[in-house]
Amino acid sequence: EVQLVESGGGLVQPGGSLRLSCAASGFTFINFAMSWVRQAPGKGLEWVCIISGSGSDSYYADSVKGRFTTSRDNSKNTLYLQMNSLTAEDTAVYYCVKKYSGSYHFDYWGQGTLVTVSS
Amino acid sequence: QSVLTQPPSVSGAPGQRVTISCTGSSSNIGARYDVHWYQHLPGTAPKSLIYGNNDRPSGVPDRFSGSKSGTSASLAISGLQAEDEADYYCQSYDSSLSAYVFGTGTKVTVL
Repeated sequence: EVQLVESGGGLVQPGGSLRLSCAASGFTFINFAMSWVRQAPGKGLEWVCIISGSGSDSYYADSVKGRFTTSRDNSKNTLYLQMNSLTAEDTAVYYCVKKYSGSYHFDYWGQGTLVTVSS
Repeated sequence: QSVLTQPPSVSGAPGQRVTISCTGSSSNIGARYDVHWYQHLPGTAPKSLIYGNNDRPSGVPDRFSGSKSGTSASLAISGLQAEDEADYYCQSYDSSLSAYVFGTGTKVTVL
């Protein structure tokens, strides 16, 4: 059974940093690209970034480019999201998502972790 | 802003059929990128409902079906049930933005 468990969310001040983690299990982690998707309060889903299975390639939404960095440790089956220069607009539930091979489809989602940016 | 447009809400009585539209453009749905649909109950993990325009993952009832034509796609729910009350999102890829894009989301209410 595929499981994605996020952690690391919390309250952070504007301009601050936070690192999210996602522990993956139930599939061969290195074989799949992984993504982060977020949902601000009362808003819809917004794609944040994606990283290839090997970790050599990553792509970002314009809204986070230059501030967020995603990485992965395939020896630990763990995905990371380093978030810097946070603003109130980054307040959201962040979901760790597995991408289906050969498609632009996301087949499994974690439960999410809440990030609140506020003074 | 979302580049895929959905109606904010749709409703129907139990047993009825409802449809949710997803309107895109020539750089996403119209560029022959597949459309995928997700069901999201607040406080839970979103769930894959339809992938590749009209395929259902294992375990998804055949009451759910998808279609795509031109720059638009649709999700149909037949035999509406109380447990179908949730938010639904379409998703595709946009070549102009080089980004994965989601629809604005539709809340389905079972009357």
